[in-house]
Amino acid sequence: DTGVSQNPRHKITKRGQNVTFRCDPISEHNRLYWYRQTLGQGPEFLTYFQNEAQLEKSRLLSDRFSAERPKGSFSTLEIQRTEQGDSAMYLCASHAMGETQYFGPGTRLLVL
Amino acid sequence: SQQGEEDPQALSIQEGENATMNCSYKTSINNLQWYRQNSGRGLVHLILIRSNEREKHSGRLRVTLDTSKKSSSLLITASRAADTASYFCATDSGTYKYIFGTGTRLKVLA
Repeated sequence: DTGVSQNPRHKITKRGQNVTFRCDPISEHNRLYWYRQTLGQGPEFLTYFQNEAQLEKSRLLSDRFSAERPKGSFSTLEIQRTEQGDSAMYLCASHAMGETQYFGPGTRLLVL
Repeated sequence: SQQGEEDPQALSIQEGENATMNCSYKTSINNLQWYRQNSGRGLVHLILIRSNEREKHSGRLRVTLDTSKKSSSLLITASRAADTASYFCATDSGTYKYIFGTGTRLKVLA
């Protein structure tokens, strides 16, 4: 257990539905990251926050994806109008000013 | 897009043998990190090596970095069945945006 938690751990949804995932980072960590990982691939960067500010977004993050980190604490990642191609593991990671990232267990999304 | 590529993609060895996996990347970096991922689980940080370092050790792990060749290697000595996992390198080019490689799937046979 790294101290980073993610909920839910698994989500099955139908195409077209909206889903929201939550990440609770280690409390003193000011940076929070979201990644997406598909089977057999490494994690792909989606976005990251420093405190409550979203500093960078990947072009992988289409208009259907939105992430927030109110008050610089937990973060949510919402996917609107899900598509089958959104099926993946969504990983959250946090770190402080040091460079080591600590990953949560991930949320596995299956879009039917 | 992936910054790094691990080589080999898959590796199968006997318990007690050493395992070596390599990572190549494309742009200048501030640091490079290695992670382990057990099937279907989150990633566990193994070791970080900075661009001005050439070698680091942690227990049975040894990491080297050659910035002139834009490559790193991870050596696991005296492997155990519990080392079976996927191993990824991740690079930071100074923007705190970490880019992961494609991973090496290691299988250690008991």
